[in-house]
Amino acid sequence: DARVTQTPRHKVTEMGQEVTMRCQPILGHNTVFWYRQTMMQGLELLAYFRNRAPLDDSGMPKDRFSAEMPDATLATLKIQPSEPRDSAVYFCASGLVGGAPMGIQYFGAGTRLSVL
Amino acid sequence: DQQVKQNSPSLSVQEGRISILNCDYTNSMFDYFLWYKKYPAEGPTFLISISSIKDKNEDGRFTVFLNKSAKHLSLHIVPSQPGDSAVYFCAASTGTYKYIFGTGTRLKVLA
Repeated sequence: DARVTQTPRHKVTEMGQEVTMRCQPILGHNTVFWYRQTMMQGLELLAYFRNRAPLDDSGMPKDRFSAEMPDATLATLKIQPSEPRDSAVYFCASGLVGGAPMGIQYFGAGTRLSVL
Repeated sequence: DQQVKQNSPSLSVQEGRISILNCDYTNSMFDYFLWYKKYPAEGPTFLISISSIKDKNEDGRFTVFLNKSAKHLSLHIVPSQPGDSAVYFCAASTGTYKYIFGTGTRLKVLA
């Protein structure tokens, strides 16, 4: 049963602490996305990778957020230092360029982050 | 600036009736559109797609209509079932695999 796995599912932390969210994409997928879901903005794209290389991180606050793919089975999203306004649900999704229909992304269950 | 807008945050429909969810976009370069469904505590799951070369795509109870001149698409669910109660997101792309999502519409199907 191929699926995107995200850990942790829930994270409560205090303002100023570092937060690391992890994602295991579906084996064989070559594109990985990070989204943030908020009430006002819906699903905002933060960053995405193709073949582990960052293609677009324009949606990410650069001063505190960073995204990496150390290997093909792991993507990470870090926030340092975290702030209360970062509280949201963060989703990872993966996809296969060239798969049909074009652009389907498979989402993980998300990490619900609360920054106090 | 929201390029993809879902102006109805919520919608309630009686079981068996038609549900119509709407989505508007501003970028005329968008040429591929997806609808996703999301249940609580789960990630969004793909529902149906349409490319700009079509004006309609159907999959069982779900049909998506695209009106390019109006920059509008809609998702029709007929007949609606209680299990369809979820948040529905539309998303649009210019063909780069980078999708812009709307804010979602919460559908409640009443038994």
